[in-house]
Amino acid sequence: DAGVTQSPTHLIKTRGQHVTLRCSPISGHKSVSWYQQVLGQGPQFIFQYYEKEERGRGNFPDRFSARQFPNYSSELNVNALLLGDSALYLCASRTGLAAYNEQFFGPGTRLTVL
Amino acid sequence: AQKITQTQPGMFVQEKEAVTLDCTYDTSDQSYGLFWYKQPSSGEMIFLIYQGSYDEQNATEGRYSLNFQKARKSANLVISASQLGDSAMYFCAMREAPDSWGKLQFGAGTQVVVTP
Repeated sequence: DAGVTQSPTHLIKTRGQHVTLRCSPISGHKSVSWYQQVLGQGPQFIFQYYEKEERGRGNFPDRFSARQFPNYSSELNVNALLLGDSALYLCASRTGLAAYNEQFFGPGTRLTVL
Repeated sequence: AQKITQTQPGMFVQEKEAVTLDCTYDTSDQSYGLFWYKQPSSGEMIFLIYQGSYDEQNATEGRYSLNFQKARKSANLVISASQLGDSAMYFCAMREAPDSWGKLQFGAGTQVVVTP
């Protein structure tokens, strides 16, 4: 079975631009979460979606938005990019919302903002 | 306040030796979950092991075991018989119940280098 997939793998943008990152969860997984990992730090939670509804949001500005589609894939959008948005963006999926449901992560999208 | 603390930024361990990675956490909830993930240089986060706050026995998964000391709020990862492929960043993470079992809160990580 395919794992979590993300596209693109790498992306270079300039300040002020916007970016859309895409994620396809493992088949059968209805929950998708997004994390930002700045170099040298642990991942920081951005959003969680379950059954196309936003279930959680981290401490990120409104420039960050996301959505989940009927097929449970998801997009993360970032507007008005800043240099500090340069990071590895990780998508994770899980089957449900039970405590023991571990999250399976994708390979990430490495965003560089110049 | 930092919810997950990993005090060891980096460690060297010899092949076939065991290594313990420290993790302490801070929560006032009774119900929570603790996770360990491995992140190789490729960037993908690989799930290793899970411990629920109500689990009385320490979790084990192959060469990985979690030393769970609830009263001390400690969840150390033990890797037995280290292999060269174990070289990676290791992250401890917690999920608290009020987050609808959603977000994971990660520590800063510990870089492990396994030497021959």
